[in-house]
This record gives sequence, structure tokens and C-alpha cells, in this order.
Amino acid sequence: DTAVSQTPKYLVTQMGNDKSIKCEQNLGHDTMYWYKQDSKKFLKIMFSYNNKELIINETVPNRFSPKSPDKAHLNLHINSLELGDSAVYFCASSLNRGPGELFFGEGSRLTVL
Amino acid sequence: QKEVEQNSGPLSVPEGAIASLNCTYSDRGSQSFFWYRQYSGKSPELIMSIYSNGDKEDGRFTAQLNKASQYVSLLIRDSQPSDSATYLCALMDSNYQLIWGAGTKLIIKP
Repeated sequence: DTAVSQTPKYLVTQMGNDKSIKCEQNLGHDTMYWYKQDSKKFLKIMFSYNNKELIINETVPNRFSPKSPDKAHLNLHINSLELGDSAVYFCASSLNRGPGELFFGEGSRLTVL
Repeated sequence: QKEVEQNSGPLSVPEGAIASLNCTYSDRGSQSFFWYRQYSGKSPELIMSIYSNGDKEDGRFTAQLNKASQYVSLLIRDSQPSDSATYLCALMDSNYQLIWGAGTKLIIKP
């Protein structure tokens, strides 16, 4: 069983479209994250949820909207996609909000044409 | 602004030698430090965490922390080609946020 799973793994879409990425973890962790990794490989935190509560909301465009229906799921919806949104998006989870011991999903590579 | 600095590399090390990866940070209040390994096209995976000054060993890996000098390092003994990856340094700041370095690309040459 995959601990942190994301779908889809690849998205290719046109500018202006809307897309969603889903994430599920079966580790029983309380905290989930969305990270963006651009072409320079720098990992940037976007959002973090602890037990369905938003605890980190970095400065990202409001075209990005996370949603956590329960503590095992964290989805990311992106409206009006732009070229600069092309990146790999990683979902991750941790036991709680304190330790930095994260378990990452395999990533979702988004390409905006 | 809190920063974590790493040499981007690539760092080239012959097989069997010791690879030394370094990371410096600016926030003196940082308490927890982590090394992640990321193979090309894959996700980061945690390989070491260190919370107190000194050395921590796990197999071929040794993490070293010096809070007074604000650096943390990772040593890989008996380097193998399978160790070729990007190594990301991260620390937990006083707001429980992970601050990431940009990573060092390590190449182990057979």
C-alpha cells in the first residue's frame, strides 16, 4: 500500500483551464501539505492542514484552493492555469505539525501549454 | 529572512570515498534539522534527522550539527553510485515551519 498517493501523476493542459490534484495518506498522520517544486528544484510550501484545519497558507495566488474533507485527504484545485504554474506538486504528510519528518507522495507533474 | 544555504553542486565524489554535504542557516532559534534525498524524477525522502549538537550515525550516513556555528552536515561513507541524488537540507523554525535549502546535487563516479 502506498503511504501517500497523489493523482494524477501527470497533467498536460492549456492556459486558462482548471485542474485538480488529489492526495490521500494512509499513515494516520494529522498534518498534510502541498509543496511546489519548480524547474530549479526548490521546494516551496504552499499549504498545510492539521486535522482539516488550514494552518499554513503561504503567499500563493488565490487561483489555488486547497480542500481537506478529512485528515486523510488533501486536494488542490487550480483555476485559470498560467504558464508559470508548470511545476511538480508534491503532497506530504507528517505525524503532527511539529516534527519535520515528512512523507511525500510521488508528485504530480503539471505542464501548462 | 530565515535562510538555509547549500552549495548547489554538482559535487563529484569517487566511488568508495566520503561525500561531505554542508548546510548553513541563519535562524539561531532553529532546533530540528533534517536531510532529505531526492533522486531525479522522484520525491524527497527523509534520510536523517538531528536535534542536538554533535554527530548522529545511521549506517553509512552521519549527520553533524553545530548550533554555535550554525551549520549542519551530512557525511556519506563508502559512497556508492546509488547515492547519486540531490540532498536537501531542511530545518524546523520556531513557528514549526520547515525551511528548505535548494539542495546539493551529488554525483558518485564509479
